[in-house]
Amino acid sequence: DAGVIQSPRHEVTEMGQEVTLRCKPISGHDYLFWYRQTMMRGLELLIYFNNNVPIDDSGMPEDRFSAKMPNASFSTLKIQPSEPRDSAVYFCASSLYGGALNSDTQYFGPGTRLTVL
Amino acid sequence: QKEVEQDPGPLSVPEGAIVSLNCTYSNSAFQYFMWYRQYSRKGPELLMYTYSSGNKEDGRFTAQVDKSSKYISLFIRDSQPSDSATYLCAMKGSSNTGKLIFGQGTTLQVKP
Repeated sequence: DAGVIQSPRHEVTEMGQEVTLRCKPISGHDYLFWYRQTMMRGLELLIYFNNNVPIDDSGMPEDRFSAKMPNASFSTLKIQPSEPRDSAVYFCASSLYGGALNSDTQYFGPGTRLTVL
Repeated sequence: QKEVEQDPGPLSVPEGAIVSLNCTYSNSAFQYFMWYRQYSRKGPELLMYTYSSGNKEDGRFTAQVDKSSKYISLFIRDSQPSDSATYLCAMKGSSNTGKLIFGQGTTLQVKP
């Protein structure tokens, strides 16, 4: 398996532009997670899905952020309009189980490094 | 106050040293404790997984959980330059939730 795939790997945009980040989870995994990582705040969970349904979006910072999972093999995280403080590395992760078993490892993608000028 | 506190370092040690990495937490409901390793410009990967209190050993790595003190540790014996990375602790409660709470991560450099 190729692991979790994210695109683009790098994104540079100007303030006010729309940004769309994409993720393909590992085939067969029922859970998908979006994280944001910054030096100041560390790794923060933004939202996670179970079987394509959003379960917990309490980490989404504000209405400018939205996430969708139209099918089991694809998810997007959209920022509209983008702001300089959104600059961070955004990770997607997937797992077979969300927490029902002890060993429900989350597998992370390589991340998208977003810079908003 | 954050739910999980972790000293970001950086921590620099000579090759062969014993490394101790630590996290404290405030939520007594946490039951599952993990350590992730993150190499530069890569995503985190699971290193160790522990349930409740006690020790778990895997090769050069030992994870300890002290729930009475709300304190977890990761020990690395005979550290190698290839261990240079950021180590993040993570934890979650006993309910069926996928939500992990991560520490800020400690950056470790092992010098040859």
